[in-house]
Amino acid sequence: AQSVSQHNHHVILSEAASLELGCNYSYGGTVNLFWYVQYPGQHLQLLLKYFSGDPLVKGIKGFEAEFIKSKFSFNLRKPSVQWSDTAEYFCAVNVRTSGTYKYIFGTGTRLKVLA
Amino acid sequence: GEEVAQTPKHLVRGEGQKAKLYCAPIKGHSYVFWYQQVLKNEFKFLISFQNENVFDETGMPKERFSAKCLPNSPCSLEIQATKLEDSAVYFCASSPTGAQPQHFGDGTRLSIL
Repeated sequence: AQSVSQHNHHVILSEAASLELGCNYSYGGTVNLFWYVQYPGQHLQLLLKYFSGDPLVKGIKGFEAEFIKSKFSFNLRKPSVQWSDTAEYFCAVNVRTSGTYKYIFGTGTRLKVLA
Repeated sequence: GEEVAQTPKHLVRGEGQKAKLYCAPIKGHSYVFWYQQVLKNEFKFLISFQNENVFDETGMPKERFSAKCLPNSPCSLEIQATKLEDSAVYFCASSPTGAQPQHFGDGTRLSIL
């Protein structure tokens, strides 16, 4: 069965530290990849997406992610985090299987940035 | 509209009562998805629609949960005979196609007492 793993459940960083959140998926076919962010009390918002082309994708708010097909990974990075980046981050994979589109979300990584 | 609109924001029901949640997708989006998020954890997929047709219902607990997306009406998710474990935030999302990113609503917090 398809799955998405986010190994870091809780991450605490100081402002200006660099961030990398891991995301691995298990599916052998073509995938579309996404990172979403959920700020406290808000709904999920799209940070960035990968469909095809350049495996290094840039999103909003200085975030970027790199798709490494051989590692089934799509890690999220930011060179210098801010206090306002405190949120929960979800990796998601979209696959087409058995004639349907299926979105599979990871369990999320809770990021706390200390001012 | 330009946002996915979910109503109500909060819903409180006694165990055994019925709960009905609504979702108006973004205009022009053909796909609607429902998710259940328990205790700020992972998003559990429930069901998806392509227009008014069920697209994927593999995540739906069939016994008590039902959902509809009828033309010219908000989509709905109904839970009969609610149980304590149904307490969660239910998110609706819409997408122009099944492969495009989903746009999420603010969720409905369902509390079963």
